[in-house]
Amino acid sequence: DTAVSQTPKYLVTQMGNDKSIKCEQNLGHDTMYWYKQDSKKFLKIMFSYNNKELIINETVPNRFSPKSPDKAHLNLHINSLELGDSAVYFCASSRRTGNYNEQFFGPGTRLTVL
Amino acid sequence: AQKITQTQPGMFVQEKEAVTLDCTYDTSDQSYGLFWYKQPSSGEMIFLIYQGSYDEQNATEGRYSLNFQKARKSANLVISASQLGDSAMYFCAMRETGSEKLVFGKGTKLTVNP
Repeated sequence: DTAVSQTPKYLVTQMGNDKSIKCEQNLGHDTMYWYKQDSKKFLKIMFSYNNKELIINETVPNRFSPKSPDKAHLNLHINSLELGDSAVYFCASSRRTGNYNEQFFGPGTRLTVL
Repeated sequence: AQKITQTQPGMFVQEKEAVTLDCTYDTSDQSYGLFWYKQPSSGEMIFLIYQGSYDEQNATEGRYSLNFQKARKSANLVISASQLGDSAMYFCAMRETGSEKLVFGKGTKLTVNP
């Protein structure tokens, strides 16, 4: 009965490869997010989708492309991986309505680029 | 300019004592939300407590309470009766009106000593 799930949990790959991270939520939320946590533990938003529509697109290299096939899924595809992409990537979801907008996070995907 | 400032990179507390983790924020909005998350060494992000800018009372959730001082733009987390399991990174975050994203501080690493 996991609320927000991500696969894989660990991803080790070579520079230049293309990889995807999948995220699914079963909370019935209509907004989903991708965050990146760097080696210093700093968390920064990358993207957000609401009802499959992109609503936040921070300054992220266009090698990163989110895709939301439906409200419950938000995948992250990364092309031409670079060393600096090594980080933990968190998916999150929330209801959009209301001032109180707690975000539920997935367990994270630790990406290591060699 | 940083929107969320956590000035304590690391804090130590004895088991069973109370500890305050500092958070100051910067916004010109009148309506916003403040959140605290816990990240244990296992890596997941766990929501702890929320304070709305219009809430007149300080938020409390079990052993967690939020010392909200609006005029000073501070939202400090107080953990009472610390337990060894409280050892973790703690992140303060803010969501401004009309924005779907959480902006995080750099975190405070709390260590609870037996």
